[in-house]
Amino acid sequence: AQTVTQSQPEMSVQEAETVTLSCTYDTSESDYYLFWYKQPPSRQMILVIRQEAYKQQNATENRFSVNFQKAAKSFSLKISDSQLGDAAMYFCAYMDTDKLIFGTGTRLQVFP
Amino acid sequence: NAGVTQTPKFRVLKTGQSMTLLCAQDMNHEYMYWYRQDPGMGLRLIHYSVGEGTTAKGEVPDGYNVSRLKKQNFLLGLESAAPSQTSVYFCASGQTGTGYHGYTFGSGTRLTVV
Repeated sequence: AQTVTQSQPEMSVQEAETVTLSCTYDTSESDYYLFWYKQPPSRQMILVIRQEAYKQQNATENRFSVNFQKAAKSFSLKISDSQLGDAAMYFCAYMDTDKLIFGTGTRLQVFP
Repeated sequence: NAGVTQTPKFRVLKTGQSMTLLCAQDMNHEYMYWYRQDPGMGLRLIHYSVGEGTTAKGEVPDGYNVSRLKKQNFLLGLESAAPSQTSVYFCASGQTGTGYHGYTFGSGTRLTVV
């Protein structure tokens, strides 16, 4: 079965600095999708970025970018120029055919 | 532009009571999912559906049943609630294929079983 591991329960960053959240996954599939979701205190799940496994190029969305290492099964999220509004739970997720599987999450604190 | 709507948003049940959570989506998505979120455990998949009339078990299906009689609705039932089912429940819908952009989530239902 596919699994997703987030080994950092909590992280903190100073405003305007850069932080990287780690995610590893386990799968025997070659074609799949990876996602990072943000969950602020409002509880709403917000898609931050997605990566298709067959694409070599790392996905980027404004201040958010990923480092996708397919052979190592690693999918880290880099947040540049951190803002107070980035404070939230961040979940890494994996999907192949029909199921979206989540990691346990990383709580990100942003200090002014 | 409603997206995914969950009802109710909050509920308190007594042990042994039953209830149904409703998820409705207006995006014509084929796939729908029910998750539960507990502290330190992320979102765990309860049941899911890949199309009208289909359902399948996820990671933690025990104590729950689901139905997908209409494409836009996915119901989650608790026949005999237990305190261990106290959680926040999320519904999500999505579509795979070219141009796939990820799942859309509802705003969650906080269920407390006393």
